[in-house]
Amino acid sequence: GIQVEQSPPDLILQEGANSTLRCNFSDSVNNLQWFHQNPWGQLINLFYIPSGTKQNGRLSATTVATERYSLLYISSSQTTDSGVYFCAVVDSGGSNYKLTFGKGTLLTVNP
Amino acid sequence: GAVVSQHPSRVICKSGTSVKIECRSLDFQATTMFWYRQFPKQSLMLMATSNEGSKATYEQGVEKDKFLINHASLTLSTLTVTSAHPEDSSFYICSASGSGPRVTFGSGTRLTVV
Repeated sequence: GIQVEQSPPDLILQEGANSTLRCNFSDSVNNLQWFHQNPWGQLINLFYIPSGTKQNGRLSATTVATERYSLLYISSSQTTDSGVYFCAVVDSGGSNYKLTFGKGTLLTVNP
Repeated sequence: GAVVSQHPSRVICKSGTSVKIECRSLDFQATTMFWYRQFPKQSLMLMATSNEGSKATYEQGVEKDKFLINHASLTLSTLTVTSAHPEDSSFYICSASGSGPRVTFGSGTRLTVV
């Protein structure tokens, strides 16, 4: 099956700093999504981004499908950004909603 | 926006008993829902695909007789952990998708088997 690798596994920031999270995947995809899991376990869908660039406030994401990677940018980080960020994909031959998750990046933003 | 409700959020049960977890799509119909399991500080692992009106499709290594899935309507899927053991303790999360490719997750159920 498709492999999803995320880096870095852990990231500690001071409030106000910027960061870039990376997601590499081993095969072509027709669906890529970024999620934020808060400390209570809730998964929030940040972006649906199989290709191209999107922005939502302080967050933006870019997927370069031909090179099989996606980046999540967090600017002016806040303590509420803390949690685990997951990248999840569906390979081109799969069901559109059957997601394979990376291992995540644990982000800690200190005040 | 799409909302998926999952209950209970936490449950503690004794070894040997069964526990039912519900996953509801509140404002859309979901012909397909997914059940995931997450161990502490680990990623989400897909357990099974729940199909409305038909049998669930289980991932390799998941015991279908232990994790019973029922998708009786377009808005409700249930996961029953039968004869629970301490090693079944985990965080279980369901997901569903409406008309588009974005996936919405329930808030999860933390199961502790004592």
